[in-house]
Amino acid sequence: KAGVTQTPRYLIKTRGQQVTLSCSPISGHRSVSWYQQTPGQGLQFLFEYFSETQRNKGNFPGRFSGRQFSNSRSEMNVSTLELGDSALYLCASSLGGQGTEAFFGQGTRLTVV
Amino acid sequence: EDQVTQSPEALRLQGGESSSLNCSYTVSGLRGLFWYRQDPGKGPEFLFTLYSAGEEKEKERLKATLTKKESFLHITAPKPEDSATYLCAVQAAGSQGNLIFGKGTKLSVKP
Repeated sequence: KAGVTQTPRYLIKTRGQQVTLSCSPISGHRSVSWYQQTPGQGLQFLFEYFSETQRNKGNFPGRFSGRQFSNSRSEMNVSTLELGDSALYLCASSLGGQGTEAFFGQGTRLTVV
Repeated sequence: EDQVTQSPEALRLQGGESSSLNCSYTVSGLRGLFWYRQDPGKGPEFLFTLYSAGEEKEKERLKATLTKKESFLHITAPKPEDSATYLCAVQAAGSQGNLIFGKGTKLSVKP
């Protein structure tokens, strides 16, 4: 079966701009979680959506937001980009949410200059 | 504060040289502990979930064990294709179920 698809794979943005990342989960999976991965902080949880509702949220500023559509596809938006937002953004899909087997996409590498 | 610490940060082994990776955690009630493998340029790949102290799970050359304070990932007779970063994550009972990841152990296995 098709895996988790994230687009785009790479992005370069300028400080102050905004960006939208997309994640298509495995067919039938209703939960999508987003993570930020940096060399210094490792993998940090951003938020989780389940059936179009945000179920959990990590400790990130309000500039980070997301949504989920009726087909379970999810988007993540970062506004007013800062240099420190440069990271690998990963999404994971699962049947029942965090705590169940999660399948990760290959990530979107965001570079803010 | 809930915390996950993995050690060592990096480990170099010769092929066939067995070893263990450590994941120690401090959480207010453990719901589950997860092991993932991450290859360069890819997302993490799920390996195991452990729920209670004393539980063990195996997959090929990997075996994960869990105590009340830590988990070990034992690698028996590793091969070069086992080279990757191994991530440990915990789900705490009181944290809305968020996964808290350690920073990983980068394993290199030489032929």
